[in-house]
Amino acid sequence: QKEVEQNSGPLSVPEGAIASLNCTYSDRGSQSFFWYRQYSGKSPELIMFIYSNGDKEDGRFTAQLNKASQYVSLLIRDSQPSDSATYLCAPEGGTYKYIFGTGTRLKVLA
Amino acid sequence: DADVTQTPRNRITKTGKRIMLECSQTKGHDRMYWYRQDPGLGLRLIYYSFDVKDINKGEISDGYSVSRQAQAKFSLSLESAIPNQTALYFCATSDTSRGTGELFFGEGSRLTVL
Repeated sequence: QKEVEQNSGPLSVPEGAIASLNCTYSDRGSQSFFWYRQYSGKSPELIMFIYSNGDKEDGRFTAQLNKASQYVSLLIRDSQPSDSATYLCAPEGGTYKYIFGTGTRLKVLA
Repeated sequence: DADVTQTPRNRITKTGKRIMLECSQTKGHDRMYWYRQDPGLGLRLIYYSFDVKDINKGEISDGYSVSRQAQAKFSLSLESAIPNQTALYFCATSDTSRGTGELFFGEGSRLTVL
């Protein structure tokens, strides 16, 4: 079992819809969870991080964390074509060793 | 100017050659990382360093070595390059004193081994 699992996609959603990106992890010691966005040929950039169970909202983005289920998700509301990218999940277990999932490729159709 | 600078940005080499990828940062961060990225495999951790005297192996360290010459510099070496080391390599930094733990990435070094 991989440490961090994501559906590779592509996940295709129409413009204006909600995109839901999911990530499961195996390390129960994971304390913080990071979502990065990576455009093709570019370096990853942080979208959101979450520490506590529940939801955290930032603009059109909402991160959801359920530690009991070892599950973290990212919702993108009112999806735009500019949101088309690969989204990478990275849990962190207190050792500052960041292991990434394989990423989910999102395509927002105009 | 980029806060995390990688050189070279692109390199083509032959099997068996020694290659060094360099990373320097002006962010003053203590933690530095090397990742490689292959299509469909995401980012995989090669080595990471929390300070000049602390270097740790990541998921895929075989065939690689690193050197932390100073807090601001972290180099990745391939002693004898092989074709399956063809990949996009990223350096990243993070700061112990900041609460977020966010990684800041360089622009990447694309390595092709023929």
